Amino acid sequence: DAGVTQSPTHLIKTRGQHVTLRCSPISGHKSVSWYQQVLGQGPQFIFQYYEKEERGRGNFPDRFSARQFPNYSSELNVNALLLGDSALYLCASSRTDRGMSGYTFGSGTRLTVV
Amino acid sequence: EDKVVQSPLSLVVHEGDTVTLNCSYEVTNFRSLLWYKQEKKAPTFLFMLTSSGIEKKSGRLSSILDKKELFSILNITATQTGDSAVYLCAVAPAGTASKLTFGTGTRLQVTL
Repeated sequence: DAGVTQSPTHLIKTRGQHVTLRCSPISGHKSVSWYQQVLGQGPQFIFQYYEKEERGRGNFPDRFSARQFPNYSSELNVNALLLGDSALYLCASSRTDRGMSGYTFGSGTRLTVV
Repeated sequence: EDKVVQSPLSLVVHEGDTVTLNCSYEVTNFRSLLWYKQEKKAPTFLFMLTSSGIEKKSGRLSSILDKKELFSILNITATQTGDSAVYLCAVAPAGTASKLTFGTGTRLQVTL
C-alpha cells in the first residue's frame, strides 16, 4: 500500500501569493491532519478533517484554510503568504478521527516564501 | 494549553552507547503519548502509549509512560549511526479532534 503522499515536495512563492498543498491519505484512512513545522521546532497542528468535516483547528490565522474531498484527499490553502509561513507542511492520516491506531505522516511539502 | 517539553535538546553519543530521552507533558484530558523518529522529512511512528507503567519494546528501542508524574522516556540501547535523527514526543488529548501537541524534539547524533 502506498503511504501518505504529498505534493508538491518543494515550492517557492513570493510574499502575498497564494499556495495550495495536496495530501492523499493511506487507503482506508478517513482522517487527515495538517501540521506546520518551522526549522528547529516540532510540528504544530493546523487542521484536522474527518469524513469531509473540520474536526479541529489550531491557532493559525484565517489565511489558512483546508478541505477534504469525497475520496478523503485534502488540500491546504494559504493566502497572502508571509515570510513566516516558510516551513515544512506535513500531512498525517489515520483510520478514525481519534487516531487510536496511530498517525502516519507524509514526507511533507517544503514551502519557501521570498 | 497543552504542552510538551523534551530533554535534552541534543546529544552526541558513540556507537554502542545507551541513551535515554525524556518527555514531560501537560495536557487537559490525556489520551495517549506518541514517539516519532524524524530523519529528513516524514516523522516515522515508533510507539503509542496509553497506559501507565507498561513498557513498549521494538528491537533496541523501548518506552514507558508515567501518567502520575506526567512523563515518558525513550531508551535506545546499543546505538547505531542509523539511529541519528530527531526524536519527537507528542500527546493526544481525548475527544473527537486528533490534535497532536509536539515537543521541539531531541536531536541525537551517533558517531563511530
